[in-house]
Amino acid sequence: DAGITQSPRHKVTETGTPVTLRCHQTENHRYMYWYRQDPGHGLRLIHYSYGVKDTDKGEVSDGYSVSRSKTEDFLLTLESATSSQTSVYFCAISGSGYESVGVSYEQYFGPGTRLTVT
Amino acid sequence: RKEVEQDPGPFNVPEGATVAFNCTYSNSASQSFFWYRQDCRKEPKLLMSVYSSGNEDGRFTAQLNRASQYISLLIRDSKLSDSATYLCVVPASGGSYIPTFGRGTSLIVHP
Repeated sequence: DAGITQSPRHKVTETGTPVTLRCHQTENHRYMYWYRQDPGHGLRLIHYSYGVKDTDKGEVSDGYSVSRSKTEDFLLTLESATSSQTSVYFCAISGSGYESVGVSYEQYFGPGTRLTVT
Repeated sequence: RKEVEQDPGPFNVPEGATVAFNCTYSNSASQSFFWYRQDCRKEPKLLMSVYSSGNEDGRFTAQLNRASQYISLLIRDSKLSDSATYLCVVPASGGSYIPTFGRGTSLIVHP
């Protein structure tokens, strides 16, 4: 299994509070992704990173920000959590090192973070 | 934007049955595709890759029909432990970094 961890694994927080989720990899993979998964919606991409300090928005990025200051860590921040952000959050990695883009790599997922905003 | 369509199911089959899922996609020049398995409340895990020549791994066979733009997954001799949701994935290609996931097909194998 790919070396990818997420923390925390479970979190309950109140509306309006900031929350940061961490994704950590030991594989030196170039690409990292944050998804949320909700019943009836499947996996939806929030943000992704294609290198250190290189990030971009996915389809559901409103209310979320990310940072990647080093290869192994990708942080997802909810600046002011809302109940609509209650979800399961998955981090994923793909690629290998910093080879050329556009290669069809499979993704490996972390175990997920269950976030409840009350 | 690429679209990936899957029948959500559930497919309800008895143990030992053979079951097949299809996944249709559009606008992809990818050379390979993927099937993932996701158990309830767990992360998706790579099941197998799908190449133009197809791929077989034990009871699982995946095929790609590029002309008709679909990939298939065949499971023979279904086991109770095969119960899960199966996601098909069209990888990033052409300079994109973003793969496209189907919403998944639910399989329930009963005794």
